[in-house]
Amino acid sequence: QSVLTQPPSVSAAPGQKVTISCSGNSSNIGNNYVSWYQQLPGTAPKLLIYDNNKRPSGIPDRFSGSKSGTSATLGITGLQTGDEADYYCGTWDSSLRAVLFGGGTKLTVL
Amino acid sequence: EVQLVESGGGLVQPGRSLRLSCAASGFTFDDYAMHWVRQAPGKGLEWVSGISWNSGTIVYADSVKGRFTISRDNAKNSLYLQMNSLRAEDTALYYCAKDRLAATAMWGFDYWGQGTLVTVSS
Repeated sequence: QSVLTQPPSVSAAPGQKVTISCSGNSSNIGNNYVSWYQQLPGTAPKLLIYDNNKRPSGIPDRFSGSKSGTSATLGITGLQTGDEADYYCGTWDSSLRAVLFGGGTKLTVL
Repeated sequence: EVQLVESGGGLVQPGRSLRLSCAASGFTFDDYAMHWVRQAPGKGLEWVSGISWNSGTIVYADSVKGRFTISRDNAKNSLYLQMNSLRAEDTALYYCAKDRLAATAMWGFDYWGQGTLVTVSS
């Protein structure tokens, strides 16, 4: 069981918006930056969001990140079938002195 | 173009050892922290270990502490993972990942290799 909690799955129709939550505590999300990763089937993970809400170059602004207290959220607007993937949050845990990943959320675009 | 190429995976018996390598190119290797992340078949991502730019800070997941050793050779632009006393639960695809900054934490893993598969089985 992951220290960072994500919903196992979310779904929405093409063109719609979806949010994926990531819940932690004060040792991890509460006091450290959160990043988000997209893993398409059969491929390596890809960085979508870093420092809670920043997008690397090449990542469309349909993807957004936010953080409040000990929770973080990934938002995806204008859903496309190509967005179907597993999404993971990640952060540093200052008490454990370890990198943590959430359990992952499978996005289905209906 | 940034490239991370892992090698060294394979089939190994429980209790034996294996050494993974990650060859980096396309960026100034000794400017960044590096990490190993693994993914068991059909499962999520699990961070394994990280090392700062100058090897001054090294951290491990509890699941591998005392059995795995991470190291890097900045002159060779290479990252390594020495895995001893392997167990069936270490079976996974092992990814090498570059962090965005030099210190060991998690600033955002901006580049990943394609992974090398480690199977621990008798």
